[in-house]
Amino acid sequence: GIQVEQSPPDLILQEGANSTLRCNFSDSVNNLQWFHQNPWGQLINLFYIPSGTKQNGRLSATTVATERYSLLYISSSQTTDSGVYFCAVGGRGGGNKLTFGTGTQLKVEL
Amino acid sequence: DAGVIQSPRHEVTEMGQEVTLRCKPISGHNSLFWYRQTMMRGLELLIYFNNNVPIDDSGMPEDRFSAKMPNASFSTLKIQPSEPRDSAVYFCASFSGGSRQYFGPGTRLTVT
Repeated sequence: GIQVEQSPPDLILQEGANSTLRCNFSDSVNNLQWFHQNPWGQLINLFYIPSGTKQNGRLSATTVATERYSLLYISSSQTTDSGVYFCAVGGRGGGNKLTFGTGTQLKVEL
Repeated sequence: DAGVIQSPRHEVTEMGQEVTLRCKPISGHNSLFWYRQTMMRGLELLIYFNNNVPIDDSGMPEDRFSAKMPNASFSTLKIQPSEPRDSAVYFCASFSGGSRQYFGPGTRLTVT
């Protein structure tokens, strides 16, 4: 099946700093989503972005499908951004199935 | 919209007991997914349904696990008999093709 790798595995930031999270995948995809799991365990969908660039407030994401990677940008980080960020992909022929990466654990400190 | 609803939120049971987890997807969504999350294995897809029909159950760990979707607004995941290694957070998610997948709050299962 399709493999998903995320980097870095862990990240500590000072409040106000910017960061870039990366997701590499091993095969062509027709579905790519970014999720944030907050410290209470809730999984929030941030972006549906199989290709191109999207922005939502301080967050933006870019997927370059031909090169098999996606990036999640967090600008002016806040303590509420802490948690785990997951990339999930769906391959062609995989139906609606998503394969999740192992996540990036982000901690934003004051 | 109430989002994806799961019940119970927490379940503590003894080994050997039957456990039933419940999910109500977002109205109008035609795909429903059951996931399990553990520290060791991360987020794993157990099974998913399209239009109430099971499409891929390759992630179901063994015959002790079963899932049903009798109608578009309700699904169950059953474990019988339960074992301590089944302890995990079980998530239900739904979506309508070509869009975002939305997760419920999860059920934290502890089997003693």
